[in-house]
Amino acid sequence: GESVGLHLPTLSVQEGDNSIINCAYSNSASDYFIWYKQESGKGPQFIIDIRSNMDKRQGQRVTVLLNKTVKHLSLQIAATQPGDSAVYFCAENISGGYQKVTFGTGTKLQVIP
Amino acid sequence: DAGVIQSPRHEVTEMGQEVTLRCKPISGHNSLFWYRQTMMRGLELLIYFNNNVPIDDSGMPEDRFSAKMPNASFSTLKIQPSEPRDSAVYFCASSLAGSNQPQHFGDGTRLSIL
Repeated sequence: GESVGLHLPTLSVQEGDNSIINCAYSNSASDYFIWYKQESGKGPQFIIDIRSNMDKRQGQRVTVLLNKTVKHLSLQIAATQPGDSAVYFCAENISGGYQKVTFGTGTKLQVIP
Repeated sequence: DAGVIQSPRHEVTEMGQEVTLRCKPISGHNSLFWYRQTMMRGLELLIYFNNNVPIDDSGMPEDRFSAKMPNASFSTLKIQPSEPRDSAVYFCASSLAGSNQPQHFGDGTRLSIL
C-alpha cells in the first residue's frame, strides 16, 4: 500500500547553479538559528548558524539570511555540486535557560549533473 | 577529531526484547541529546542531558523508554519492552554547554522491531 509520511519539499538544481532553500520558523522568541545537512544514512551535519542580531552570515559557498519580521530563514549555496545533494534542515533555538532546538521538516536538494 | 560515536549502527530484534543504544559524545561536550527520526514525525527530541543530569525528558514517549548518562563520555537509551512502532533511526548529539551552540550528531542507530 501507499506509505504515509512527511512530504519533503524537493528542490532540483543544475550543477553549477546557485541553490536557495527556504525555511519559515514559528517562534518569535527564537534567537539562534542553525542549518544542518543530512546525507543518506548519516546524521545531520552542522553547516552554518546565525544569531538574531544579524541578518546575514557567510561561510564557504554558503550564506544564511535571516528576516525576523516575517520569521524567515534561507540558505544559499553557491555553485551547487553533486555532493550538496542531501536533506537540509533549519533549526531554531531560544537563548537563555537550556538549549532546546526545534527542527523543521527538511528540504531535499537534488543536484542534476 | 572523533565525532559522536553511536553503537550499534543497525539493530534488528523481535518485539518484547530489550534494546540498548549507546552513545559516546565528543570529548569536552557537556550537553547530550537523544533524538528519534521517522518518516511520519521527522526528527524528535527525546531527552537532553547537561553535565550528565537529565534536564528535559518530556519527549520520551512512555515508560518503556529510559536514558542514562553515568559519566561524561557515555550515555545509553534503553527500550524495554520494545514494540514495532519503536522502529526508527535514533540519533545522539552533543554540544558545548550554553545556548547558541550547534549540536554535533552521530550517524545513528537504525532500529527495526519485528
